[in-house]
Amino acid sequence: NAGVMQNPRHLVRRRGQEARLRCSPVKGHSHVYWYRQLPEEGLKFMVYLQKENIIDESGMPKERFSAEFPKEGPSILRIQQVVRGDSAAYFCASSPTTWGVNEQFFGPGTRLTVL
Amino acid sequence: ELKVEQNPLFLSMQEGKNYTIYCNYSTTSDRLYWYRQDPGKSLESLFVLLSNGAVKQEGRLMASLDTKARLSTLHITAAVHDLSATYFCAVVRTTSGTYKYIFGTGTRLKVLA
Repeated sequence: NAGVMQNPRHLVRRRGQEARLRCSPVKGHSHVYWYRQLPEEGLKFMVYLQKENIIDESGMPKERFSAEFPKEGPSILRIQQVVRGDSAAYFCASSPTTWGVNEQFFGPGTRLTVL
Repeated sequence: ELKVEQNPLFLSMQEGKNYTIYCNYSTTSDRLYWYRQDPGKSLESLFVLLSNGAVKQEGRLMASLDTKARLSTLHITAAVHDLSATYFCAVVRTTSGTYKYIFGTGTRLKVLA
């Protein structure tokens, strides 16, 4: 069984470029979460999505960041006009259902470096 | 706002010694997770604690939950070098029918030979 997959694992961008991070959840999971981990810190919640819907984006910066989870294909976290402060590890997690509290399964992360 | 604090933030200990990591959280939650993270890696699930008084053990690690005190502990018995990693607790926050994890600051453990 494939777990949560993320790509790329490492991404280098220059200031002002766009970064696009992909997450394929565990097969059968319809809920995706994105977290950001700055160096030497814990994970911070960014956004929670279900297929074609954003459920909670309270942790997303208001500008430059967007996320989607289309009906077909992976979830995408997009960062426009990246700045050095965006350098971090971005983790995706998935869970199977919203009824009750379900364990989230984490992907390997994408480490973004902004030059 | 739910806050989750861990202490200590850094822990250096000798092999064979015992120690406890603490996770305090600020508002009611009845579910808590402990994770391990190795450098440059993802999170590995260690324990899920579902109710007050829950205790789980796996090898040299034992976790407990006291929901009344809003405290969880991760106890390390007779530490070995392989336990060197960063340990996170995460508390579930439920809002309007949805939930999310709030992570602690992490405890970086280094076990010295």
